[in-house]
Amino acid sequence: DIQMTQTPSSMPASLGERVTISCRASQGISNYLNWYQQKPDGTIKPLIYYTSNLQSGVPSRFSGSGSGTDYSLTISSLEPEDFAMYYCQQYDSSPWTFGGGTKLELK
Amino acid sequence: EVQLVESGGGLVQPGRSLKLSCAASGFTFSNYYMAWVRQAPKKGLEWVATISTSGSRTYYPDSVKGRFTISRDNAKSSLYLQMNSLKSEDTATYYCARQVAGSYFDYWGQGVMVTVSS
Repeated sequence: DIQMTQTPSSMPASLGERVTISCRASQGISNYLNWYQQKPDGTIKPLIYYTSNLQSGVPSRFSGSGSGTDYSLTISSLEPEDFAMYYCQQYDSSPWTFGGGTKLELK
Repeated sequence: EVQLVESGGGLVQPGRSLKLSCAASGFTFSNYYMAWVRQAPKKGLEWVATISTSGSRTYYPDSVKGRFTISRDNAKSSLYLQMNSLKSEDTATYYCARQVAGSYFDYWGQGVMVTVSS
Protein backbone atom coordinates (compact mmCIF):
# COMPACT_ATOMS: atom_id res chain seq x y z
CA ASP A 1 0.00 0.00 0.00
CA ILE A 2 1.11 3.57 -0.66
CA GLN A 3 1.52 5.54 2.55
CA MET A 4 0.71 9.25 2.47
CA THR A 5 2.41 11.49 5.04
CA GLN A 6 1.13 15.00 5.58
CA THR A 7 3.05 17.75 7.32
CA PRO A 8 2.46 19.53 9.53
CA SER A 9 -0.32 17.77 11.43
CA SER A 10 -1.48 21.12 12.73
CA MET A 11 -0.70 24.66 11.70
CA PRO A 12 -1.61 27.87 13.52
CA ALA A 13 -2.00 30.72 11.06
CA SER A 14 -3.45 34.21 10.75
CA LEU A 15 -6.03 35.72 8.45
CA GLY A 16 -4.40 36.87 5.23
CA GLU A 17 -1.39 34.61 5.69
CA ARG A 18 -0.03 32.38 2.94
CA VAL A 19 0.25 28.74 4.01
CA THR A 20 1.51 25.55 2.45
CA ILE A 21 0.63 21.99 3.45
CA SER A 22 2.86 19.14 2.30
CA CYS A 23 2.04 15.58 1.37
CA ARG A 24 4.64 12.90 0.69
CA ALA A 25 3.91 9.51 -0.85
CA SER A 26 5.90 6.39 0.02
CA GLN A 27 6.49 5.87 -3.72
CA GLY A 28 5.94 7.87 -6.88
CA ILE A 29 2.27 8.46 -7.69
CA SER A 30 2.52 10.15 -11.09
CA ASN A 31 0.57 13.26 -10.03
CA TYR A 32 -2.49 11.18 -9.08
CA LEU A 33 -3.06 13.29 -6.01
CA ASN A 34 -6.19 15.03 -4.71
CA TRP A 35 -6.88 17.45 -1.85
CA TYR A 36 -10.00 17.70 0.32
CA GLN A 37 -11.22 20.08 3.00
CA GLN A 38 -13.23 18.91 6.01
CA LYS A 39 -15.13 21.38 8.16
CA PRO A 40 -15.78 20.86 11.93
CA ASP A 41 -19.34 19.71 11.18
CA GLY A 42 -17.91 16.85 9.10
CA THR A 43 -18.70 18.27 5.68
CA ILE A 44 -16.09 17.17 3.13
CA LYS A 45 -15.41 19.14 -0.01
CA PRO A 46 -12.99 18.35 -2.83
CA LEU A 47 -10.53 21.15 -3.58
CA ILE A 48 -7.99 19.96 -6.12
CA TYR A 49 -7.67 16.90 -8.34
CA TYR A 50 -4.74 15.51 -10.32
CA THR A 51 -2.24 17.61 -8.34
CA SER A 52 -3.17 21.07 -9.57
CA ASN A 53 -6.67 21.17 -11.05
CA LEU A 54 -9.12 23.29 -9.10
CA GLN A 55 -12.53 21.72 -8.49
CA SER A 56 -15.38 23.84 -9.84
CA GLY A 57 -16.41 26.53 -7.37
CA VAL A 58 -13.20 26.44 -5.34
CA PRO A 59 -11.65 29.91 -4.85
CA SER A 60 -8.49 30.68 -6.80
CA ARG A 61 -6.54 31.32 -3.58
CA PHE A 62 -6.18 27.52 -3.42
CA SER A 63 -3.51 25.93 -5.58
CA GLY A 64 -1.72 22.61 -5.78
CA SER A 65 1.63 21.50 -7.11
CA GLY A 66 4.12 18.68 -7.00
CA SER A 67 5.45 15.64 -8.74
CA GLY A 68 6.90 12.23 -8.00
CA THR A 69 6.47 11.67 -4.28
CA ASP A 70 6.14 15.27 -3.05
CA TYR A 71 3.03 17.43 -3.32
CA SER A 72 1.69 20.57 -1.71
CA LEU A 73 -1.46 22.60 -1.21
CA THR A 74 -1.09 26.37 -0.92
CA ILE A 75 -3.64 28.89 0.25
CA SER A 76 -2.44 32.31 -0.85
CA SER A 77 -4.35 34.45 1.66
CA LEU A 78 -6.33 32.81 4.44
CA GLU A 79 -10.00 33.63 4.81
CA PRO A 80 -12.06 32.80 7.94
CA GLU A 81 -13.76 29.85 6.22
CA ASP A 82 -10.41 28.20 5.41
CA PHE A 83 -9.74 27.11 8.99
CA ALA A 84 -10.47 23.40 8.70
CA MET A 85 -8.85 19.99 8.21
CA TYR A 86 -7.13 19.19 4.93
CA TYR A 87 -6.41 15.74 3.51
CA CYS A 88 -4.43 14.56 0.54
CA GLN A 89 -5.38 11.33 -1.28
CA GLN A 90 -3.55 9.26 -3.88
CA TYR A 91 -5.22 7.30 -6.64
CA ASP A 92 -2.18 5.92 -8.40
CA SER A 93 -2.98 2.45 -7.11
CA SER A 94 -5.50 0.65 -5.00
CA PRO A 95 -6.03 0.81 -2.10
CA TRP A 96 -6.63 4.52 -2.50
CA THR A 97 -5.11 6.11 0.59
CA PHE A 98 -5.35 9.41 2.41
CA GLY A 99 -2.85 11.41 4.36
CA GLY A 100 -3.31 11.77 8.10
CA GLY A 101 -4.65 15.31 7.78
CA THR A 102 -3.53 18.83 8.61
CA LYS A 103 -5.55 20.98 10.97
CA LEU A 104 -5.38 24.64 10.02
CA GLU A 105 -6.07 26.67 13.15
CA LEU A 106 -6.52 30.34 13.83
CA LYS A 107 -3.46 31.77 15.58
CA GLU B 1 -27.95 19.84 -7.05
CA VAL B 2 -26.13 16.64 -6.22
CA GLN B 3 -27.28 15.12 -2.95
CA LEU B 4 -26.10 11.99 -1.17
CA VAL B 5 -27.98 10.97 1.96
CA GLU B 6 -26.79 8.07 4.08
CA SER B 7 -28.92 6.04 6.46
CA GLY B 8 -28.85 2.82 8.43
CA GLY B 9 -26.21 3.57 11.02
CA GLY B 10 -26.44 2.84 14.72
CA LEU B 11 -25.12 0.77 17.59
CA VAL B 12 -24.35 -2.88 16.84
CA GLN B 13 -22.62 -5.63 18.78
CA PRO B 14 -19.30 -7.09 17.67
CA GLY B 15 -19.75 -9.94 15.23
CA ARG B 16 -23.15 -8.73 14.05
CA SER B 17 -24.17 -7.20 10.73
CA LEU B 18 -25.44 -3.84 9.54
CA LYS B 19 -26.45 -2.47 6.16
CA LEU B 20 -25.96 1.15 5.18
CA SER B 21 -27.84 2.88 2.39
CA CYS B 22 -27.16 6.01 0.39
CA ALA B 23 -29.88 7.75 -1.61
CA ALA B 24 -28.51 9.77 -4.51
CA SER B 25 -30.18 12.57 -6.44
CA GLY B 26 -29.34 15.45 -8.73
CA PHE B 27 -27.27 13.45 -11.23
CA THR B 28 -27.47 10.37 -13.46
CA PHE B 29 -26.54 7.78 -10.84
CA SER B 30 -25.84 4.98 -13.31
CA ASN B 31 -23.07 7.01 -14.98
CA TYR B 32 -20.81 7.18 -11.95
CA TYR B 33 -18.64 4.95 -9.82
CA MET B 34 -19.69 5.18 -6.19
CA ALA B 35 -17.76 4.61 -2.98
CA TRP B 36 -17.81 4.44 0.79
CA VAL B 37 -15.17 6.21 2.88
CA ARG B 38 -15.05 6.08 6.66
CA GLN B 39 -13.56 8.10 9.47
CA ALA B 40 -12.97 6.66 12.91
CA PRO B 41 -13.47 9.09 15.82
CA LYS B 42 -10.71 11.71 15.87
CA LYS B 43 -8.94 9.91 13.00
CA GLY B 44 -8.36 10.44 9.29
CA LEU B 45 -10.19 9.21 6.24
CA GLU B 46 -10.07 5.60 5.06
CA TRP B 47 -11.43 4.35 1.75
CA VAL B 48 -13.69 1.33 2.30
CA ALA B 49 -15.22 0.25 -1.01
CA THR B 50 -15.88 1.27 -4.61
CA ILE B 51 -18.33 -0.04 -7.19
CA SER B 52 -18.36 0.45 -10.94
CA THR B 53 -21.24 2.00 -12.84
CA SER B 54 -22.97 -1.29 -13.60
CA GLY B 55 -22.01 -2.94 -10.35
CA SER B 56 -20.00 -5.62 -12.10
CA ARG B 57 -16.73 -4.58 -10.48
CA THR B 58 -16.08 -3.94 -6.83
CA TYR B 59 -12.94 -2.92 -4.97
CA TYR B 60 -11.98 -3.15 -1.29
CA PRO B 61 -8.94 -2.64 0.92
CA ASP B 62 -7.71 -5.67 2.83
CA SER B 63 -9.12 -4.27 6.10
CA VAL B 64 -12.71 -5.00 5.01
CA LYS B 65 -12.34 -7.51 2.16
CA GLY B 66 -14.49 -10.57 2.78
CA ARG B 67 -16.58 -8.81 5.44
CA PHE B 68 -18.06 -5.81 3.60
CA THR B 69 -20.02 -5.87 0.34
CA ILE B 70 -20.82 -2.80 -1.72
CA SER B 71 -23.78 -2.90 -4.09
CA ARG B 72 -26.02 -0.54 -6.00
CA ASP B 73 -29.49 -0.33 -7.49
CA ASN B 74 -29.35 2.02 -10.45
CA ALA B 75 -33.13 1.99 -10.85
CA LYS B 76 -33.45 3.39 -7.35
CA SER B 77 -30.32 5.59 -7.46
CA SER B 78 -29.18 3.89 -4.31
CA LEU B 79 -25.89 2.62 -2.95
CA TYR B 80 -25.48 0.07 -0.20
CA LEU B 81 -22.82 -1.28 2.13
CA GLN B 82 -23.45 -4.63 3.80
CA MET B 83 -21.14 -4.96 6.78
CA ASN B 84 -20.74 -8.39 8.36
CA SER B 85 -18.62 -9.70 11.24
CA LEU B 86 -18.28 -6.18 12.57
CA LYS B 87 -15.37 -5.33 14.84
CA SER B 88 -14.82 -2.49 17.28
CA GLU B 89 -12.32 -0.98 14.83
CA ASP B 90 -15.13 -0.56 12.31
CA THR B 91 -16.59 2.15 14.55
CA ALA B 92 -16.63 5.25 12.37
CA THR B 93 -18.65 7.75 10.44
CA TYR B 94 -19.32 6.27 7.01
CA TYR B 95 -19.54 8.62 4.04
CA CYS B 96 -21.12 7.86 0.70
CA ALA B 97 -19.18 9.51 -2.13
CA ARG B 98 -19.41 9.85 -5.87
CA GLN B 99 -16.15 8.76 -7.44
CA VAL B 100 -14.99 10.01 -10.80
CA ALA B 101 -13.96 6.85 -12.69
CA GLY B 102 -11.80 5.46 -9.92
CA SER B 103 -10.01 8.69 -9.22
CA TYR B 104 -11.23 11.41 -6.93
CA PHE B 105 -14.34 11.74 -4.78
CA ASP B 106 -16.19 14.78 -6.07
CA TYR B 107 -19.34 14.72 -3.92
CA TRP B 108 -19.77 13.47 -0.36
CA GLY B 109 -22.73 12.81 1.87
CA GLN B 110 -22.99 14.08 5.43
CA GLY B 111 -22.06 10.71 6.86
CA VAL B 112 -23.73 8.17 9.12
CA MET B 113 -22.31 6.93 12.42
CA VAL B 114 -21.71 3.25 13.09
CA THR B 115 -20.72 2.18 16.60
CA VAL B 116 -19.60 -1.39 17.21
CA SER B 117 -19.73 -2.14 20.91
CA SER B 118 -21.12 -4.65 23.35
